[in-house]
Amino acid sequence: NFMLTQPHSVSESPGKTVTISCTGSSGSIASNYVQWYQQRPGSAPTTVIYEDNQRPSGVPDRFSGSIDSSSNSASLTISGLKTEDEADYYCQSYDSSVWVFGGGTKLTVL
Amino acid sequence: QLQLQESGPGLVKPSETLSLTCTVSGGSISSSSYYWGWIRQPPGKGLEWIGSIYYSGSTYYNPSLKSRVTISVDTSKNQFSLKLSSVTAADTAVYYCARHTTRVVDYWGQGTLVTVSS
Repeated sequence: NFMLTQPHSVSESPGKTVTISCTGSSGSIASNYVQWYQQRPGSAPTTVIYEDNQRPSGVPDRFSGSIDSSSNSASLTISGLKTEDEADYYCQSYDSSVWVFGGGTKLTVL
Repeated sequence: QLQLQESGPGLVKPSETLSLTCTVSGGSISSSSYYWGWIRQPPGKGLEWIGSIYYSGSTYYNPSLKSRVTISVDTSKNQFSLKLSSVTAADTAVYYCARHTTRVVDYWGQGTLVTVSS
């Protein structure tokens, strides 16, 4: 079964840059698009990146996504960190019409 | 603006069937090229895709839940539904309904907590 693995947690200071990784268990992560969702406590997730590196309207350009085929990983990078970025982040992809989410990464901005 | 709203019992007994409905407003559930899906999140844990139904009626299920899940659509009511049979405490979660393309969710419901307990 295809799986996506994320670090459990990351932390960084306001104004800095943080990168969250999402590693595919098999096959090539570049074969299907990767999405990233932000979830604040008590709220439904919202999309911050879709199709590897596209930002929905309203998402600041401090958020960016990329794919590294050599490590079979996707990454979400947030620059100029703000305290409001503190949330859980989930990567998501699909394989043969089956959707898969990563386990989530808790971002702490301190 | 499209809105999705989950409804159904907040408490289900073990071994019984969990049933939820998602009512779509502000748009048609028959819109082409969209899927209508269910995603759940156990308390303090991550997201898990349960399954989806395409506007044409085709269904897709998480292999780990497939034997217990049925998703259906009622176009006359602009609703789609989830049935999960033989529930256990491990099925306690916030259940979200969502609209998505082949790649990404673009609309989420607010979520509804379902607790499995006697």
